[in-house]
Amino acid sequence: KNEVEQSPQNLTAQEGEFITINCSYSVGISALHWLQQHPGGGIVSLFMLSSGKKKHGRLIATINIQEKHSSLHITASHPRDSAVYICAVISYGQNFVFGPGTRLSVLP
Amino acid sequence: DSGVTQTPKHLITATGQRVTLRCSPRSGDLSVYWYQQSLDQGLQFLIQYYNGEERAKGNILERFSAQQFPDLHSELNLSSLELGDSALYFCASSAGVSNQPQHFGDGTRLSIL
Repeated sequence: KNEVEQSPQNLTAQEGEFITINCSYSVGISALHWLQQHPGGGIVSLFMLSSGKKKHGRLIATINIQEKHSSLHITASHPRDSAVYICAVISYGQNFVFGPGTRLSVLP
Repeated sequence: DSGVTQTPKHLITATGQRVTLRCSPRSGDLSVYWYQQSLDQGLQFLIQYYNGEERAKGNILERFSAQQFPDLHSELNLSSLELGDSALYFCASSAGVSNQPQHFGDGTRLSIL
């Protein structure tokens, strides 16, 4: 079993839909990152969470430390949101473990 | 623009060779992280430096080494290259030593022939 799992693996949505991407992990962590990787390969850090919820524009990230689960929500999705979304956890030893990514396509 | 500069953008070399990848962190950031992204293994953490000192080590092979210089730029040295080392190598920087937002460079694409 991988230490970090994401679901779904692939997601196709229509523009305007509400999207949820899930991340589950099995190790103790000090923080969790959500990253966005565009088709050209560039990576952008969206959120870093250690508890609770964060919001930035149309993006919302939540984490439940007890359940070892985090979600990334995108409201009013847009074609420019099409990317791979990657969950990464930071263990207490400062080791980073990445999930396999969720490939999102938003159709106009 | 993240403010993190990686050079070169592309590198093509042969098995057995040695290469050096360079990273200049965002102004003011003291931490530098190196990551490898290959098609079969996804993103993997290699190593972190903070203010010149090694801070955390991930899945970095013995053939690979890194350092952070007094001006805070960092270099990742890859030696005795194998076909499986072909990957995108990302550098990221952050202000502090841990649990900080990271800013990613555009990556260096390494192709081993």
